[in-house]
Amino acid sequence: DAGVTQSPTHLIKTRGQHVTLRCSPISGHKSVSWYQQVLGQGPQFIFQYYEKEERGRGNFPDRFSARQFPNYSSELNVNALLLGDSALYLCASSLGTGAGEQYFGPGTRLTVT
Amino acid sequence: QKEVEQNSGPLSVPEGAIASLNCTYSDRVSQSFFWYRQYSGKSPELIMSIYSNGDKEDGRFTAQLNKASQYVSLLIRDSQPSDSATYLCAVNPNDYKLSFGAGTTVTVRA
Repeated sequence: DAGVTQSPTHLIKTRGQHVTLRCSPISGHKSVSWYQQVLGQGPQFIFQYYEKEERGRGNFPDRFSARQFPNYSSELNVNALLLGDSALYLCASSLGTGAGEQYFGPGTRLTVT
Repeated sequence: QKEVEQNSGPLSVPEGAIASLNCTYSDRVSQSFFWYRQYSGKSPELIMSIYSNGDKEDGRFTAQLNKASQYVSLLIRDSQPSDSATYLCAVNPNDYKLSFGAGTTVTVRA
């Protein structure tokens, strides 16, 4: 079975621009979570979506938004990019609601210049 | 106080030895605990989950949980060079997110 997929793999953007990252969960999984990981730190929770509804949001500014589609894929949008947004963005899928076992995709490496 | 703290590395062990990794968490309501392995430049990979007090073994890995002490550990027996990676402890303080420690980098030397 295919695992979690994310696109693009790498992205370079300029300060002030907007970016959209995409994620497809494992087949049969209905929950998608987004995390940000900067070098030397563990992943930081951004959002979780289940059945197209936002179930939780981490301590990130309103420049960050996300949505989940009927096929359970998801998008993470970041507006007005800052240098500090440079990080690895990880999508994780899980079977149902709750924070059970989460399986990560390969990530999108975002560089803001 | 950080939600999840791990013993700072790096941890260097000889091939064939036991690597011992520790993790403490601050939120007593946490019910699920996970260990992820992350190779350099890759995403985290789930290697162990534990939900009740005691030990859980899976191959060369053993996870130990003590909720009263708010402590989780991971033992890697017969360490191999392929075990060289950063190990992340994750805890769920609520029903939708995982909180991660900063990770402990393990190097297995031949």
